[in-house]
Amino acid sequence: EADIYQTPRYLVIGTGKKITLECSQTMGHDKMYWYQQDPGMELHLIHYSYGVNSTEKGDLSSESTVSRIRTEHFPLTLESARPSHTSQYLCASSDSGANVLTFGAGSRLTVL
Amino acid sequence: GDSVTQMEGPVTLSEEAFLTINCTYTATGYPSLFWYVQYPGEGLQLLLKATKADDKGSNKGFEATYRKETTSFHLEKGSVQVSDSAVYFCALSKGGSEKLVFGKGTKLTVNP
Repeated sequence: EADIYQTPRYLVIGTGKKITLECSQTMGHDKMYWYQQDPGMELHLIHYSYGVNSTEKGDLSSESTVSRIRTEHFPLTLESARPSHTSQYLCASSDSGANVLTFGAGSRLTVL
Repeated sequence: GDSVTQMEGPVTLSEEAFLTINCTYTATGYPSLFWYVQYPGEGLQLLLKATKADDKGSNKGFEATYRKETTSFHLEKGSVQVSDSAVYFCALSKGGSEKLVFGKGTKLTVNP
């Protein structure tokens, strides 16, 4: 059963719209991550957080932003979506000291 | 920087065939090594891991041995099933960091 939940699973929107991808985990994990997965399957870390009020940019530059106001919640926002943002976005979390990530099922975004 | 190189796919096998997916890494120090699996329409799941040289990780009939001398962590299974069809990712992390570095993924299709 999933302990990390992502909504929506699928989203199709027009260019210029603002979107927020939700990610919540029930495991009490301190660390959370957003990965972007391109059509060729490769994964790129775009944001991560080591705790409440802590956010950092990942290895791949992204126009999206994140916030971490509550331990369990790590939403990702695009202020103005573009076709180049079309991708699958995977949220993950891990416990401090444990180097294993638990992933959500992903949010597949299509921008027309 | 740290990197992971895994064999390019796609790989297509018949049921009960032997599977090897090669993975090599470049990293300073002593990384932990992982194999994650992504079934169609889902997020990634940890398949197995090894944290030090000569460790063997195993799960669901899959095995991989951490070979420091060859900087490799090849995934093997003696007899694949149709249900093993998925994308397999090799990954590493270092020093207690949960920031994973992923390979590009290898898509496996097993035919009945």
